Amino acid sequence: AQSVAQPEDQVNVAEGNPLTVKCTYSVSGNPYLFWYVQYPNRGLQFLLKYITGDNLVKGSYGFEAEFNKSQTSFHLKKPSALVSDSALYFCAVRPIPGGSYIPTFGRGTSLIVHP
Amino acid sequence: DSGVTQTPKHLITATGQRVTLRCSPRSGDLSVYWYQQSLDQGLQFLIQYYNGEERAKGNILERFSAQQFPDLHSELNLSSLELGDSALYFCASSTRQGIDEQFFGPGTRLTVL
Repeated sequence: AQSVAQPEDQVNVAEGNPLTVKCTYSVSGNPYLFWYVQYPNRGLQFLLKYITGDNLVKGSYGFEAEFNKSQTSFHLKKPSALVSDSALYFCAVRPIPGGSYIPTFGRGTSLIVHP
Repeated sequence: DSGVTQTPKHLITATGQRVTLRCSPRSGDLSVYWYQQSLDQGLQFLIQYYNGEERAKGNILERFSAQQFPDLHSELNLSSLELGDSALYFCASSTRQGIDEQFFGPGTRLTVL
C-alpha cells in the first residue's frame, strides 16, 4: 500500500525567507510524485510533478521540489516566500508500474507567510 | 481556471434527503475523479471513471453512487444524507490515468442540517 506523510500541519515563514514544506512517501517500486496547492474556497491546483529524470523539479509560481530516493522524500521549496503563497499544500504519490492509478494524498500542510 | 466545472457551488439540505452533484471535465479529459474534503478526514478519494467506465473505488459509502455519461460529464449522487456528509466535494479530471496531474473543479460545499 502507498502512503504519504506531511509531518507538519503548519509552517510559518517570514516573507522573503526560503520555505520548505516536507513530504515523505512509501510505495512499492518507484513513485510518481505530485504537489498541489489549495487557496481558500478553491479547488486544488497542480504545482509540479516528478515522473523520472532530474531529481530537481521546477514548477509553477517559483516552486521546486527535490526527489530523494534514499530518504523517500519529495520536499517542496521556494527560495523567497511571498505572502500570497499562504495556502494549503498537498503532496501526493502513486507507484509505478501498475498498482492503483489513484494517487494517495497527504493530509496537507498549511503554509503561512508573514509580512 | 482549471477548465473543470462543478454545480452547484453550494447546497444546503436536510438529513435523509438525496442530492446530485454535477461535474464537467476539461475538454478532452477522459478520466474523472470524485473526492470528499472535510476538516477531520482530509481529502478522501471516492470514485474514478474513465471514458464511461468505473475504474477505481475508494472510501465511498453505499449511500453514494456516481456515473459518467457518454458526453463525459459525471454526477455524484448522495442519498439518505447524514450530518456527517457535510463537506466539500471535488471533482477532478485528467487526460490519462496515473501519470497525468489532476485538474480540480471549484468544489460543491454540501451542508446537511
